[in-house]
Amino acid sequence: AQSVTQPDIHITVSEGASLELRCNYSYGATPYLFWYVQSPGQGLQLLLKYFSGDTLVQGIKGFEAEFKRSQSSFNLRKPSVHWSDAAEYFCAVLTDSWGKLQFGAGTQVVVTP
Amino acid sequence: EAQVTQNPRYLITVTGKKLTVTCSQNMNHEYMSWYRQDPGLGLRQIYYSMNVEVTDKGDVPEGYKVSRKEKRNFPLILESPSPNQTSLYFCASSLNGAGNQPQHFGDGTRLSIL
Repeated sequence: AQSVTQPDIHITVSEGASLELRCNYSYGATPYLFWYVQSPGQGLQLLLKYFSGDTLVQGIKGFEAEFKRSQSSFNLRKPSVHWSDAAEYFCAVLTDSWGKLQFGAGTQVVVTP
Repeated sequence: EAQVTQNPRYLITVTGKKLTVTCSQNMNHEYMSWYRQDPGLGLRQIYYSMNVEVTDKGDVPEGYKVSRKEKRNFPLILESPSPNQTSLYFCASSLNGAGNQPQHFGDGTRLSIL
């Protein structure tokens, strides 16, 4: 069965510092991978997605992610975080079951001054 | 503006009192689904619909019903809510459910069942 693991439940980072959120997946074929962000009281907003091709994908808000097949990982990065990046981040894989997204448990990011 | 609209945004109710959470999208999407979000579990799919009159169970369908009589609407029905259905619920839609079609999410409905 497909699964998504986000090892870090909570990360605290200083404003201006770099951020990396980890995501590992378990899926037999080449996966469709996504990162979503959830700001307080809001729905999920798509940051970026990977389907195929270049393994480094760029997203919105200055985020990027790298797909590493050998490590079954799809880590999200941002070189310099802003206070507005404080949110919960979800990694997800599209399973082969009619559009069902399998989500990780999420990583809560706190940004300190 | 393209959006998925859920109502209500918040609801506190009591065990056994039937409730419906509405979901509407204005993007002419064929695929719609419902998820629930619980701490430490991420989002789990409840039901999905590939098109009008076509629905199927997700991972956690027990205690829920859905209907898809029109393309734009996909209500979630709790016939006899119980406290373990206290959760944050999200409706999502995409063009056809295919992997290259991103899913758009509503802003969520927080249900508290007492």
